[in-house]
Amino acid sequence: DSGVTQTPKHLITATGQRVTLRCSPRSGDLSVYWYQQSLDQGLQFLIQYYNGEERAKGNILERFSAQQFPDLHSELNLSSLELGDSALYFCASSVVGVNYGYTFGSGTRLTVV
Amino acid sequence: QQQVKQSPQSLIVQKGGISIINCAYENTAFDYFPWYQQFPGKGPALLIAIRPDVSEKKEGRFTISFNKSAKQFSLHIMDSQPGDSATYFCAAAQGGSEKLVFGKGTKLTVNP
Repeated sequence: DSGVTQTPKHLITATGQRVTLRCSPRSGDLSVYWYQQSLDQGLQFLIQYYNGEERAKGNILERFSAQQFPDLHSELNLSSLELGDSALYFCASSVVGVNYGYTFGSGTRLTVV
Repeated sequence: QQQVKQSPQSLIVQKGGISIINCAYENTAFDYFPWYQQFPGKGPALLIAIRPDVSEKKEGRFTISFNKSAKQFSLHIMDSQPGDSATYFCAAAQGGSEKLVFGKGTKLTVNP
């Protein structure tokens, strides 16, 4: 157990729907990162939050949004889902920044049918 | 545009052999180069990392070799074991950036 908890582990939904992925960071970590892992694109950075504030943004679609709550857990919202959104979504956390190493959760596998 | 190119895509090694995975980058602002190991059904886990001020870093059977002038770095796994069978990702980050740029991964299989 890495200490980063992601729920749910699996999610199957239809095109056009909206889903919410949840991440609880490791105790003491203030930064939360979201990554998308697909077979053809590999691991792609989506967005980072630090202590409740958005810190960095990557290749995140406008249909996707995220937030970090006062208890430091984070949610990734995916809307108007398309078949191509099917992927593994990982959350990672760190104390301060990337140079101290991320700790990844086990991911949420999203299947859009 | 792929900023970190990783090769090979897959690698099969016999138990006790040396596994070598290579990565190349273009962005000279990168100053942190970690390697991650991922087992099926799990998230990537930090294995070892290096900064460009050293040419080599060793931790147990795992060694990173870094060539700043060639903009290349590699992971060597000595005495490879079946338990090392996993997907390995190289990555890079630049100072002041919060994101890691990952290579596409190498699936390593170590045969007993």
